[in-house]
Amino acid sequence: ETGVTQSPTHLIKTRGQQVTLRCSSQSGHNTVSWYQQALGQGPQFIFQYYREEENGRGNFPPRFSGLQFPNYSSELNVNALELDDSALYLCASSSGTNEKLFFGSGTQLSVL
Amino acid sequence: AQKVTQAQTEISVVEKEDVTLDCVYETRDTTYYLFWYKQPPSGELVFLIRRNSFDEQNEISGRYSWNFQKSTSSFNFTITASQVVDSAVYFCALSEAKGKIIFGKGTRLHILP
Repeated sequence: ETGVTQSPTHLIKTRGQQVTLRCSSQSGHNTVSWYQQALGQGPQFIFQYYREEENGRGNFPPRFSGLQFPNYSSELNVNALELDDSALYLCASSSGTNEKLFFGSGTQLSVL
Repeated sequence: AQKVTQAQTEISVVEKEDVTLDCVYETRDTTYYLFWYKQPPSGELVFLIRRNSFDEQNEISGRYSWNFQKSTSSFNFTITASQVVDSAVYFCALSEAKGKIIFGKGTRLHILP
């Protein structure tokens, strides 16, 4: 059983740039959730995708957008990067919308 | 609105002591799910338990136990005979019907040898 994989593991961008983070869900999972975790904080819910449709969104501006593909992998796109976007971005997959989450190791994004 | 409060920011105990991590939640839904996750120093979040709002039975898994009380909106987690490997940040989380899972700020647990 393949776990959740995220790429890249680390990324450095400058303010105003755009970034795309990728996530491959665990085999058999149709739901992907994205979280932002600042240092010393709990994960903050960005949004969830269920069978290619957005199924809930947290308090993040529209410049945070996402996609889920037919194979249930997912992308998180962030436009017009700000310094405060520096954080660990976590992807988690699950077999349903309220099932236990299996997390990837995350992408550490630094915005300079 | 959903809210999860973990009032204990950081706890230190000596190995073999018991320790309880508190979690208080707020929700307007009658159907919801509660979770605990562990984040060891390596960083990857690991699932520990999931409970639904209709199942108030306490659960024990080895040295871990959970006490769910709807009357006080609490879902506390106890580690019995703690070990150094239990050192981690522990997160309580709440999910309503829509699937949005909200995490608390976490409790950093230090088990001292």
